[in-house]
Amino acid sequence: NFMLTQPHSVSESPGKTVTISCTRSSGSIASNYVQWYQQRPGSAPTTVIYEDNQRPSGVPDRFSGSIDSSSNSASLTISGLKTEDEADYYCQSYDSSNPAVFGGGTQLTVL
Amino acid sequence: EVQLVQSGAEVKKPGESLKISCKGSGYSFTSYWIGWVRQMPGKGLEWMGIIYPGDSDTRYSPSFQGQVTISADKSISTAYLQWSSLKASDTAMYYCATTDTAMVIFDYWGQGTLVTVSS
Repeated sequence: NFMLTQPHSVSESPGKTVTISCTRSSGSIASNYVQWYQQRPGSAPTTVIYEDNQRPSGVPDRFSGSIDSSSNSASLTISGLKTEDEADYYCQSYDSSNPAVFGGGTQLTVL
Repeated sequence: EVQLVQSGAEVKKPGESLKISCKGSGYSFTSYWIGWVRQMPGKGLEWMGIIYPGDSDTRYSPSFQGQVTISADKSISTAYLQWSSLKASDTAMYYCATTDTAMVIFDYWGQGTLVTVSS
């Protein structure tokens, strides 16, 4: 089984850019798609990135996803931060033995 | 518009049974997997299992195998998550979500069902 490790929290000011990392413990990050879910306080999760870098309709292009094989990690980048982006963000991937593995989540504070 | 509507909050005692539901609409219910995700108070997301309503193929996370049962009734486009004997540690928010493959890529989510187990 592999794990996905995220920073517990990040903070940044409105208008700035923030990047949240998600490091895979074993197996290649590039072998299986990575998704990112946003969970605002008191709300259900929503999907902001799927298949590494695809945005669902309705998700602003301020959100982008990428993969870095050299560090075996995925990243979620949010540019032009808004207070409404304040939320918990979870990465998720899978492999042939594990249909779904979630990262521990990152709390984003926009201050 | 795709919608997943979950049943309402439940308060139960330890040892009681429970079945919560997730009704899908706006898409072909039998053509997409539905997964269940647990979120304990103040904690992260945990994948529990998935079911393909078309043929009831069900996969469980090892952490939840034998602890819960996932089922679906395609005639009413509804998936279920059930417990035969609740424990206080089952207190959590439970979400359903759709994925078009068994390798999970969740796209649409339900609003969540809060289950509280307390004596």
